[in-house]
Amino acid sequence: AQSVSQHNHHVILSEAASLELGCNYSYGGTVNLFWYVQYPGQHLQLLLKYFSGDPLVKGIKGFEAEFIKSKFSFNLRKPSVQWSDTAEYFCAVKNNAGNMLTFGGGTRLMVKP
Amino acid sequence: SAVISQKPSRDICQRGTSLTIQCQVDSQVTMMFWYRQQPGQSLTLIATANQGSEATYESGFVIDKFPISRPNLTFSTLTVSNMSPEDSSIYLCSVSGTSGRPNSYEQYFGPGTRLTVT
Repeated sequence: AQSVSQHNHHVILSEAASLELGCNYSYGGTVNLFWYVQYPGQHLQLLLKYFSGDPLVKGIKGFEAEFIKSKFSFNLRKPSVQWSDTAEYFCAVKNNAGNMLTFGGGTRLMVKP
Repeated sequence: SAVISQKPSRDICQRGTSLTIQCQVDSQVTMMFWYRQQPGQSLTLIATANQGSEATYESGFVIDKFPISRPNLTFSTLTVSNMSPEDSSIYLCSVSGTSGRPNSYEQYFGPGTRLTVT
C-alpha cells in the first residue's frame, strides 16, 4: 500500500521567511501528486498538482512544488510567506491503480506577523 | 471546479443513534468520495460512492456502520450508524471528474460535517 509522509508537523515562521515543506511517498509506479491547504475555519482547497511534464509546478498564491522522482518527493515551497499563509498543508498522492487519494499527516504552518 | 455543499454542517448526537450526512454538488461529477478527519489527524478515505451500485469501502470501514447512497451524479449520503464517541470526527465529501473534465483526477472537497458524539 502506498503511504505519504510529511516530516514537519508544526512549522513557525516570521513573515518574509522562505518556506519548504517536505513530502515523501512510497509507490514505485506512476503517481499524481497534490498539495491541499486548509485555512482556519475553511475547507480543503487544492493548492497545486503534478500530473506529468515539467516537474516544477506552480500553484496559487505564489506556491510551487518540485517533483523529484528519484527521491519520491514533492516538496512545497514559497520564497516569502505572509501571515495569511497560516494554515494546515496536506500532501496527497494518487497512483495509477485507482482513484484513491492517500494523504500525508499534514503540516500546521503558523506565520508570525 | 465544483461547488459542494454538505448538510448538516455540524451536529451533536447521542451514542447509539444514527446520522445521515448529505452531499450536494452543483454539477454532475464522475466520482464521489467520503473521507473522515479525526481530531488532529489527516484525512482517511472511508469509501467511494458509486452511482447505482454499492459503495466501495476501504479497509477498516464496513457498509453496516457507514451505509452510503448515490442515487444520481450530483448527490450522495453517508450514514454514521450506531454512533459512539469514537465516531466524533469531521466527515468530508469529495468529488472528481467534473463536467467538461470527466476524467480529471483532481478532487474537490466540501466544507465538512463536524460530528460530536456524546
